[in-house]
Amino acid sequence: QSALTQPASVSGSPGQSITISCTGSSSDVGAFNYVSWYQCHPGKAPHLIVFDVTDRPSGVSNRFSGSKSGNTASLTISGLQAEDEADYYCCSFTTSEILVFGTGTTVTVL
Amino acid sequence: QVQLQESGPGRVKPSETLSLTCIVSGVSVTNYYWSWIRQSPGKGLEWIAYSSYTGNTNYNPSLKSRVTMSVDMPKNQLSLRLTSVTAADTAVYYCARVESLFTDLRWFDPWGQGTLVAVSS
Repeated sequence: QSALTQPASVSGSPGQSITISCTGSSSDVGAFNYVSWYQCHPGKAPHLIVFDVTDRPSGVSNRFSGSKSGNTASLTISGLQAEDEADYYCCSFTTSEILVFGTGTTVTVL
Repeated sequence: QVQLQESGPGRVKPSETLSLTCIVSGVSVTNYYWSWIRQSPGKGLEWIAYSSYTGNTNYNPSLKSRVTMSVDMPKNQLSLRLTSVTAADTAVYYCARVESLFTDLRWFDPWGQGTLVAVSS
C-alpha cells in the first residue's frame, strides 16, 4: 500500500486561501468517506483537524475545510494565519483494512 | 478527558527488540480501537498497527513480520513490540485512539505526546 500523494509544500500570504491535495486510489480515498487530516507543529503531537472527509472536531477553526472528488481529497485553509504554518497529513482507511497516511505537506505563511 | 502517555527505552541497539507501552486514562481500552504511529526524523507519519481489545489486529504490511501490538485491559494500556530493529526504526512513536464504525477505522484522536526511540549501538 503506497502512501497517499500530497504536494511537498504549499505557501500563501496571510488572509489568503490555500488548498492541499491528497491523491490516492479507488482502494483508499475513493473507496470510503474516511479521510482525516492532521496538523503537525514541530515537537508536538499531531492534531486532528478534519475527519470523515468534511467534518471538523469541536474547537477546530472553521477556516479549515475538507472535500473529496473521486480518488482525491483536499484540505482548504482560508484566511491563512501565521499559526497555520505547520505540516499537514491526510490519512485514509483502505479496502485492505489498513490505514495509510499521505506524504505530508509543509505550509508556509509568507 | 482521554489521555495517552507513551513510554519506551529511549535507545535500542541494532538487531534487538523495541518494546513500548502506552498508558490510557479517562476511558476503558475495551471500548475502542487503538493504534501506533511513528515519524522518523525528517520523514512523514507512518501507520504501524491497530488493535481492539477483542483481538481484531492489523499491521502495516511493511512491518508485519516484525511487529506485535496488544491491548491490556487490566492495566488499561497498549503495548508494541518491534523485533530486529535497524537505524531505519529510529523515530518518535505515538499511540492514538481510533474512532471506528464497526470495523471501519475513521480517524485518530487523541494522540499521545510521543516517545523518541533511537536505534544505535
